[in-house]
Amino acid sequence: GQQLNQSPQSMFIQEGEDVSMNCTSSSIFNTWLWYKQDPGEGPVLLIALYKAGELTSNGRLTAQFGITRKDSFLNISASIPSDVGIYFCAGSSRGGGADGLTFGKGTHLIIQP
Amino acid sequence: DSGVTQTPKHLITATGQRVTLRCSPRSGDLSVYWYQQSLDQGLQFLIQYYNGEERAKGNILERFSAQQFPDLHSELNLSSLELGDSALYFCATRTGNTGELFFGEGSRLTVL
Repeated sequence: GQQLNQSPQSMFIQEGEDVSMNCTSSSIFNTWLWYKQDPGEGPVLLIALYKAGELTSNGRLTAQFGITRKDSFLNISASIPSDVGIYFCAGSSRGGGADGLTFGKGTHLIIQP
Repeated sequence: DSGVTQTPKHLITATGQRVTLRCSPRSGDLSVYWYQQSLDQGLQFLIQYYNGEERAKGNILERFSAQQFPDLHSELNLSSLELGDSALYFCATRTGNTGELFFGEGSRLTVL
């Protein structure tokens, strides 16, 4: 089946620092999504990407759909305490319709005061 | 608030028992997806229903089953429970043909 490698597994940063994380796939995806999960909650969609090369921002978050369609990146600028959580990438090789997403194992973001 | 409702939020039961988890999708969403999240496995896709019919199957054990009812709510049935079934179980729904899933808050199952 499809495999997603998400890195880093965890990040310990200072408030105000920029954050970068990425996902790579063994196969081509048509859709890349980035989710954030807070403790005890369900994942919340942050950014959706549908085209190779696409760069999309949502406030301090920016995500890119890699040109090869096998990777995606998420950047968070000027991190704040509420950015703490687990960030998941997810990809789909179908153009929508009847297929669940494949998820990465998550990046734990921890912000040190 | 995603608009996806899951009950119960927490459930503690014993090995060998059977439980049912319930999901109500967002208004108008026809697709329901079930995911299992355990500490070492991340989010694993279990099964998908669309408008009452099973559409896709992932890593779902034979002891688990699901269904979607005419009012579009879905139930995930877990039977002959084992310790390793302890996990968060999420329901998610999709609007139209986008790739975007919206998750409920999950049901935390603890098997003792």
